[in-house]
Formats: sequence, C-alpha cells, structure tokens
Amino acid sequence: KQEVTQIPAALSVPEGENLVLNCSFTDSAIYNLQWFRQDPGKGLTSLLLIQSSQREQTSGRLNASLDKSSGRSTLYIAASQPGDSATYLCAVRGTGNQFYFGTGTSLTVIP
Amino acid sequence: NAGVMQNPRHLVRRRGQEARLRCSPMKGHSHVYWYRQLPEEGLKFMVYLQKENIIDESGMPKERFSAEFPKEGPSILRIQQVVRGDSAAYFCASSPPQSSYNEQFFGPGTRLTVL
Repeated sequence: KQEVTQIPAALSVPEGENLVLNCSFTDSAIYNLQWFRQDPGKGLTSLLLIQSSQREQTSGRLNASLDKSSGRSTLYIAASQPGDSATYLCAVRGTGNQFYFGTGTSLTVIP
Repeated sequence: NAGVMQNPRHLVRRRGQEARLRCSPMKGHSHVYWYRQLPEEGLKFMVYLQKENIIDESGMPKERFSAEFPKEGPSILRIQQVVRGDSAAYFCASSPPQSSYNEQFFGPGTRLTVL
C-alpha cells in the first residue's frame, strides 16, 4: 500500500527566505503527483501537478521536482511571503483510482 | 466557471441521525472523488464516481456510508445513523473526463460535527 510522508511537519521561516518542503512515497509506480495548499478551515488549492514522465513543474515562485525512482518530490518556494503561510499537502496517484495524501507541512512565514 | 461547490459548509447532527453531503463538480467534469479528513490526520480517499456509476469505493466504510452521482444533479455522500467518530471534514474533488492531465480540483469541504 502506498504511504506518503511529508517532512518537516511544521516549519517557521522569516519573510524573504527560500525554503524546501519534502514529500516521499513508498511505491514508485505512480501516475502523477500533485501539490496543494490548505488554509485553516478551507479547502485545497492545487499548486502544481507533475506527471510521472516529468521531472519538474514551475509556477511563479513555486517549483516542484519529482524523482520517481527514489520516491521523492520537493516543493521549492522562493522569496517566501506571509501570505504563503498555510499547510502544504502532496498527493500521489497510483495506477488505480486512489490518491494518497501526506499529512502535510504547516508553514508559517514571519513578517 | 464556478469551482467545485459543496453544501452545506457546516453540518451538525446528533448521534443516530442521517447526514447528506452534496457536491457539484466543475462544469464539464464528469469524475467525482470524496475524501475524509479526520482531525490531525491526512485526507483519506473514500470513493470515486462517474455519472451513474461507482468506480471505486474501496475507501468507504462498509456500513452506514453510501455515495451516488446521478445523471442529473449533484453527487451525494450519505451517512446513516451518524456516530461521534464521523465528525470530520468531507471534501469533494472533480476532474475532467479521463485524460493524461487528471488534475483534481477540490471544493471547500463540509465540516460535519456529530453531537
């Protein structure tokens, strides 16, 4: 069964820092990997989707990489802002219909 | 283009009552997924539906839970005889007809509280 782990569970950084969030998964037979942010009491906002054949995706200050063979993905956030404070989730889709979620990294960007 | 809509946003039920959660997918999306997020836990897959078909319900509890996605109208997640352990946030996601992209778009969730 696929297991998704996110490290660290919580992260606090001063505004302006670049940071990296990590996601690892146990079964490399994935279809794609998606990064989301979740604000307190709210739904999930899709940030980036990486297909299994891709190595990375970029959107603005965000860059996500995927190393399928080692079961790892990273989300890089450049020049962090207080508005980036949220919980970041990664989700892996296997060859079936299920998406497996990590428990998230709670990010706080201090002004 | 409105996003995924869920209602109600908050639902309070007493033990033994029924809870009905509704999800309207994005326009043009024919695939719906339901997830449950328990306090301090990650999202867990429950069920995957297409119009009038349950494709994968491997994450659904065997009793009291059911889901449907009729030809017309929203998808419904129904919980009968609710218990305190059912208190959670229930999220719906939709995606377009099968393609290589398969991005999921999530609704705001329904927060169920069982008293």
